[in-house]
Amino acid sequence: GQQLNQSPQSMFIQEGEDVSMNCTSSSIFNTWLWYKQDPGEGPVLLIALYKAGELTSNGRLTAQFGITRKDSFLNISASIPSDVGIYFCAGPGSSDAGGTSYGKLTFGQGTILTVHP
Amino acid sequence: NAGVMQNPRHLVRRRGQEARLRCSPMKGHSHVYWYRQLPEEGLKFMVYLQKENIIDESGMPKERFSAEFPKEGPSILRIQQVVRGDSAAYFCASAGQSNQPQHFGDGTRLSIL
Repeated sequence: GQQLNQSPQSMFIQEGEDVSMNCTSSSIFNTWLWYKQDPGEGPVLLIALYKAGELTSNGRLTAQFGITRKDSFLNISASIPSDVGIYFCAGPGSSDAGGTSYGKLTFGQGTILTVHP
Repeated sequence: NAGVMQNPRHLVRRRGQEARLRCSPMKGHSHVYWYRQLPEEGLKFMVYLQKENIIDESGMPKERFSAEFPKEGPSILRIQQVVRGDSAAYFCASAGQSNQPQHFGDGTRLSIL
């Protein structure tokens, strides 16, 4: 089946630093999603990417959909303590003939971010 | 995660008992997805339902597990004769259409004694 590989597995940074993490796949994805999960909670959607090469921002977060459609990265600028959590990339596991179908999502194994004040 | 409601948040069962996990999707959403998460792992897809119909159950074990999404009421994930390996966090997500992003609930943490 499809697999998403995230790197790094964990990061320890100082408050104010920028962060970059990425996600790669052996197969093509038509959509890339980035979620954040806080302890004891469900994943929250941060950014959705729909087109190869697309660069999208959400506040201090920026994500790009790779040209090959097999990778994506997420950047966080000027990190703050509340950025702590697990960041997951995800993509739909199937697509229908008419366009993009989310169906089931395949998740990466996550990047654990720790921010020291 | 306002909108998708899961209950209970925590559930403890002894081996051999049944576990019933409930999910109320966001208002207006008719597409429900169930995922399982083991500690320090990503979420793994289990089943996708759209009002009274199971669309994709390829991630759900064939035995002991079942899911439903009745016309009225929440979606239910049912695990019969639970075993220790069923201990995990179970998340439900909903979407208004199958091509729209899924929004997740806060999960049910199932512990098997």
